Amino acid sequence: EAGVAQSPRYKIIEKRQSVAFWCNPISGHATLYWYQQILGQGPKLLIQFQNNGVVDDSQLPKDRFSAERLKGVDSTLKIQPAKLEDSAVYLCASSPYGQGDTEAFFGQGTRLTVV
Amino acid sequence: AQRVTQPEKLLSVFKGAPVELKCNYSYSGSPELFWYVQYSRQRLQLLLRHISRESIKGFTADLNKGETSFHLKKPFAQEEDSAMYYCASGYSTLTFGKGTMLLVSP
Repeated sequence: EAGVAQSPRYKIIEKRQSVAFWCNPISGHATLYWYQQILGQGPKLLIQFQNNGVVDDSQLPKDRFSAERLKGVDSTLKIQPAKLEDSAVYLCASSPYGQGDTEAFFGQGTRLTVV
Repeated sequence: AQRVTQPEKLLSVFKGAPVELKCNYSYSGSPELFWYVQYSRQRLQLLLRHISRESIKGFTADLNKGETSFHLKKPFAQEEDSAMYYCASGYSTLTFGKGTMLLVSP
């Protein structure tokens, strides 16, 4: 089966600019996650969608980060304005149900560098 | 806050040696427990999960509820096991540890 697709793979922006990442989950997967992975750390959950509703966004910095999942399929994550500390790999993952119940499938990630 | 602790950043062993990657979690109750692996230039993928009690690629993981640990073990390491290993724990959402890099030398 096709895996989780993410684009772009790499992005370099200046601080205070805006950026958007796109994710296409595995077909039929109800749950979609966005993770932030800073160098040397494990993935940190930013937001979890169940279909097109938000299940958990407690760690999403809502003053600058936003995410949407239109029609319960594709998702975009936006940062506006970006800060230096936002430099990280942004991972999208999907699972048929909730992640605690089953395997999560990860995309290749988008590496963001803020200069 | 819930925490998953992997005390070793790097574990270096020789081929054929036993391997144990440590993981401790702070969740109460009976959370789901996973080990994920990321090989060089590949995406993060599930290695094994506690509930299935499988052995994948020779790896097993033992849950010790008293010590809240879920250590990953393999009796004889292979060079192809070299990768980044992440322990994860939780219920509907997962908390990941910082990861342990395993290097297996010939």
